[in-house]
Amino acid sequence: DAMVIQNPRYQVTQFGKPVTLSCSQTLNHNVMYWYQQKSSQAPKLLFHYYDKDFNNEADTPDNFQSRRPNTSFCFLDIRSPGLGDAAMYLCATSIGGDSYEQYFGPGTRLTVT
Amino acid sequence: GNSVTQMEGPVTLSEEAFLTINCTYTATGYPSLFWYVQYPGEGLQLLLKATKADDKGSNKGFEATYRKETTSFHLEKGSVQVSDSAVYFCALTGTASKLTFGTGTRLQVTL
Repeated sequence: DAMVIQNPRYQVTQFGKPVTLSCSQTLNHNVMYWYQQKSSQAPKLLFHYYDKDFNNEADTPDNFQSRRPNTSFCFLDIRSPGLGDAAMYLCATSIGGDSYEQYFGPGTRLTVT
Repeated sequence: GNSVTQMEGPVTLSEEAFLTINCTYTATGYPSLFWYVQYPGEGLQLLLKATKADDKGSNKGFEATYRKETTSFHLEKGSVQVSDSAVYFCALTGTASKLTFGTGTRLQVTL
């Protein structure tokens, strides 16, 4: 089945130690998104790629970076994780355009110790 | 800008009760509307969608109708089950392929 895959499902990192979360998709969608979700809150968009075009949200901290080396893969890099970065990170994809839904992966739960 | 307002939870119902979760929106143009469901520890799953006024989205017994005159997209189910316990997010698409989410409504169904 076509899907959005996130690895790992659970990630523990130390305060200040760089960490990378990965997302892959078999849907061949043009757009890939990264969201941060904290407990009992709606997902917060960090950035997205429309093909190779990177679109950063204005309030996304510089500590968060992303790479999309090809259509299928997208990475979230947290350069110096703080305790406040502990959250669920969700990857999503979309065909693109205003009418189309987004398809979400299962998420990566990040713990910062 | 776009915004989505959902009723606050948690909503606690007995099994087989009728469910309504209210959702209203503010948007320019003609957005598409969605309901997503999130089970504990999981990502979001698309539950249903509607792309134009008066469309009814439906899936797994859930329904919602796109009401442009009242800018609403209320989620309903005639008979909930324990397995429906989850957080439900109302959302709309705006420009640049982005979703605007409501704050989410937690549903707890008991036997």
